[in-house]
Order: sequence, then C-alpha cells, then structure tokens
Amino acid sequence: SQQGEEDPQALSIQEGENATMNCSYKTSINNLQWYRQNSGRGLVHLILIRSNEREKHSGRLRVTLDTSKKSSSLLITASRAADTASYFCATDATNFGNEKLTFGTGTRLTIIP
Amino acid sequence: DTGVSQDPRHKITKRGQNVTFRCDPISEHNRLYWYRQTLGQGPEFLTYFQNEAQLEKSRLLSDRFSAERPKGSFSTLEIQRTEQGDSAMYLCASSLAGAGGYTFGSGTRLTVV
Repeated sequence: SQQGEEDPQALSIQEGENATMNCSYKTSINNLQWYRQNSGRGLVHLILIRSNEREKHSGRLRVTLDTSKKSSSLLITASRAADTASYFCATDATNFGNEKLTFGTGTRLTIIP
Repeated sequence: DTGVSQDPRHKITKRGQNVTFRCDPISEHNRLYWYRQTLGQGPEFLTYFQNEAQLEKSRLLSDRFSAERPKGSFSTLEIQRTEQGDSAMYLCASSLAGAGGYTFGSGTRLTVV
C-alpha cells in the first residue's frame, strides 16, 4: 500500500524556474526520504530528513518536514532540463530505521527548455 | 563498487513459467531489499535481508515468490508459475543498517505474456 501522496501528480515549468512538490503521509515516521527516477530506470536517493529535523538543504534542493501536519515539501531551485524525472517521497516508519520504505505515488516533473 | 547491479534488465516470459532475478548489492552494505513497481505507481516493499537473514516479508509476496541471500552477498528473487499480474519492474536496493538512504539498482522489467 502507498503511505504517501505527492502533490501535484504532474508539474511542468520553464527551465530556470523553481519547482515545489509536496508529500503527505499517514503514520509517525523515523525519517522521510526523497528519490528521483528517470523513465524506466532505478531510483536515485536525493535527501533524507529525520523526524526531529525541520529543514535540510543539498545543493539546489531544499526539503522541509512538518511532523504535526505529516507533510514534507521538496523545492528544486533554478531548474534544469536534466531535472525532468519522477520524484517520490518515501517514509521510514520503523523504530530503528532502514528496515523498509513506503513510497508515495510520485510527481512527474517536466522542465521545458 | 559501481553500485547495485541487477540482472537481467528485461525478461519476457510466458504465463506459467518460472523466472529468477539476481541482485548484487554494494559490498559494504549489509541490508538488501526487493521492491516491485507497476506503471505510474511508487515502488512497493516486498522483502528485506540483513546479511543472510530474511527479516521481513510483505503480504504482497505470495507463496509463488521466494527470495534468498545465501551468503549475505548477492540475492535472488524467484517467481514460480508467473501470472500476467506479475508484470512489473522489480527493484533491488541495499543500505547499511542504521545509515540513511538506499542505493537502488536499475531494476529488472518483467513482462508476462
């Protein structure tokens, strides 16, 4: 079963603009992770944010986490054509972490050159 | 290590046949996971190993599915008596227990005809 829901399901923006994707989930979590998947390929880990963190940055990525609302957002700044992909949030709800992830349904991001 | 390797990349099989997939994780990683992804959906957890021990199995893993990791290194996933509903991308990932973020392989795409 899918724990999370990403919003929007699809997003198209011009190159250079910022892209924001949201994720909502249902249960308490140990951490939340974001992954990128290019069409027909495996997933690439982007960033992990722990339940006691509120914001995290990695290069052009900014992730926020609001455990009271059970939601997270991923911001990609200064988008590039190469950012075109599907983005998934995944929650780790296990006690000690790294036992299993529950993925959302994904946001399909298209960057228009 | 160049990452997680999965073999084959694609498999087309007739309904009722058995198939076996192989995953070679990053050698330092003691945890190995199998996920299944259908078109337009996020990956769904199937099972995971710590070293050679299979620690959790999803209810998605029917008795036609079996996974092994005999020496705590590579893993195999076998599907017996394949059905059309088994058509999906089968993803393998590995991680270190207690450490964040998984490394995924490129997946094996199974088509049952």
